Amino acid sequence: DAGVTQSPTHLIKTRGQHVTLRCSPISGHKSVSWYQQVLGQGPQFIFQYYEKEERGRGNFPDRFSARQFPNYSSELNVNALLLGDSALYLCASCLEGLETQYFGPGTRLLVL
Amino acid sequence: GENVEQHPSTLSVQEGDSAVIKCTYSDSASNYFPWYKQELGKGPQLIIDIRSNVGEKKDQRIAVTLNKTAKHFSLHITETQPEDSAVYFCAARLYSGGGADGLTFGKGTHLIIQP
Repeated sequence: DAGVTQSPTHLIKTRGQHVTLRCSPISGHKSVSWYQQVLGQGPQFIFQYYEKEERGRGNFPDRFSARQFPNYSSELNVNALLLGDSALYLCASCLEGLETQYFGPGTRLLVL
Repeated sequence: GENVEQHPSTLSVQEGDSAVIKCTYSDSASNYFPWYKQELGKGPQLIIDIRSNVGEKKDQRIAVTLNKTAKHFSLHITETQPEDSAVYFCAARLYSGGGADGLTFGKGTHLIIQP
């Protein structure tokens, strides 16, 4: 079975631009979470979506938004990019009712 | 909110020796504690997890212990091998079925296995 997939793998943007990152969960998983991992740190929770509804949000500004589609895939959008948004963005999926999260390979975003 | 502290930040051990990584958490309501291994250029991979109603769990060379009273949990790797070299993260989560809270991660431990 395919694991969590994310696209693109790498991305370079300039300050002020916006970016859309995509995630497909493991087949059968209905919950998707997004995390930001700055170099040398642990991942930080951004959002969790379940059945297309936002179930949780971390301490991130409104420039960050996300949505989940009927096929349970998800997009993370970041507007007005700042240099500090440069990071590895990770998507994780889990089965309904279970707490184990499985991570994808991430999208590495560089903001210049 | 939850805060997770992880020590040490770097751990170097001889191949075949044991490695221990320790984490403490702040929210006594947290009830789920996974450990992830992250290799360079890859996403975190779950290696073992434990729930608050269990004190210890073992899977081959890997074991995790949880002390709820002291709010700390540890990862033990025995008979270390070169492929164990990676960054290891502990995490904590309050899981209530609705899945509203994300994982709170420690800052990671870079484990180096010396040949």
